[in-house]
Amino acid sequence: QVQLVQSGAEVKKPGSSVKVSCKASGGTFSSYTIAWVRQAPGQGLEWMGRIIPIPGIANYAQKFQGRVTITADKSTSTAYMELSSLRSEDTAMYYCAREDYTRHWFDPWGQGTLVTVSS
Amino acid sequence: DIQMTQSPSSLSASVGDRVTITCQASQDISNYLNWYQQKPGRAPKLLIYDASNLETGVPSRFSGSGSGTDFTFTISSLQPEDIATYYCQQYDNLLALTFGGGTKVEIK
Repeated sequence: QVQLVQSGAEVKKPGSSVKVSCKASGGTFSSYTIAWVRQAPGQGLEWMGRIIPIPGIANYAQKFQGRVTITADKSTSTAYMELSSLRSEDTAMYYCAREDYTRHWFDPWGQGTLVTVSS
Repeated sequence: DIQMTQSPSSLSASVGDRVTITCQASQDISNYLNWYQQKPGRAPKLLIYDASNLETGVPSRFSGSGSGTDFTFTISSLQPEDIATYYCQQYDNLLALTFGGGTKVEIK
């Protein structure tokens, strides 16, 4: 049974970058896709992108192209999401989730990482 | 991107009531639709996939239907533990997965 554990909350300055980790246990890390979904306070869910650990291909939502980088380290079963040029609107809970390869549902989810962007 | 319009945005119902939520896609997405439940302070949970298939372990009072552009999510008999926000999600466009805006369900 796959479990995803994310890194802790972050407070960042506008213009800086944040890197959030998502460590998987159970299952075979290299065989499933990890997606990142964010949720601004009181708002809905927004898909940011995904990575397929083998062959290490990442896809990004157009909105985040050029600002987000999703990577995976197979040796530690950990996925990462780095978001740069942070602005106040990036304040949100960031979730990683396993994305099903064929039906593209998200299950399970990590516990979430709150990123606060404030001067 | 495919826009997913959920309605209503919130509703209040009594325990035992039948609750229905609709999700409309801006274009035909076949049955490429999933439903989630999110309780306050928690990550979302998958309830239904491919528009009408119940995820293992999910109570049978939850159901989904529809295809094309119009989809329905139903709770046949609302329970206190169903208080949550519900989201639909399309996967017709694999490079732009999108969610509905959510429906907050409260007890009257």
